[in-house]
Amino acid sequence: NAGVTQTPKFQVLKTGQSMTLQCAQDMNHNSMYWYRQDPGMGLRLIYYSASEGTTDKGEVPNGYNVSRLNKREFSLRLESAAPSQTSVYFCASILVAGIGNEQFFGPGTRLTVL
Amino acid sequence: QKEVEQDPGPLSVPEGAIVSLNCTYSNSAFQYFMWYRQYSRKGPELLMYTYSSGNKEDGRFTAQVDKSSKYISLFIRDSQPSDSATYLCAMGTGGFKTIFGAGTRLFVKA
Repeated sequence: NAGVTQTPKFQVLKTGQSMTLQCAQDMNHNSMYWYRQDPGMGLRLIYYSASEGTTDKGEVPNGYNVSRLNKREFSLRLESAAPSQTSVYFCASILVAGIGNEQFFGPGTRLTVL
Repeated sequence: QKEVEQDPGPLSVPEGAIVSLNCTYSNSAFQYFMWYRQYSRKGPELLMYTYSSGNKEDGRFTAQVDKSSKYISLFIRDSQPSDSATYLCAMGTGGFKTIFGAGTRLFVKA
């Protein structure tokens, strides 16, 4: 099993460009999450998908959109990138949320917006 | 005020030392408590998990929860250079969201 995979690993964008971060899990997990991690701020939830077909905003959703394509895949889109979106983005999945099961994280995407 | 407060460090200790990492929280609805370890340029990995107040041991690691004081700790005995990482506390209420601390960077010197 590959676990949680993310593409790309690194990306540099210019202000105003768009891009989609891809995430896939092969553990048959129900819930998936997108976080951003900034120095001193910890992991902040952008969006999550409790189950296939549903998505909800997290703590910092502005400037992002998501799509739960199927049970395996959950993508994050930046429509018009801004320097404030320079961060490391992590995708995570969990078998069943709400009872403290382990979240499994991908390796992260390092995004720089110039 | 953040729901979870964690000193970002860095914390530097000699090999073999006992390390104490701590978080405080404000939401009394948190039901489960976790510690994740994150190596440089990697995703976080679950290290310890507990529901209740008290201590939980796993090898050299002990997680401690004091719900009355809203305080959790992670102790690392006989610390090794391979323990050098960022340690994030995390908590949940039983819903879909987990709240993470900012993480404490730990350096264990050989």
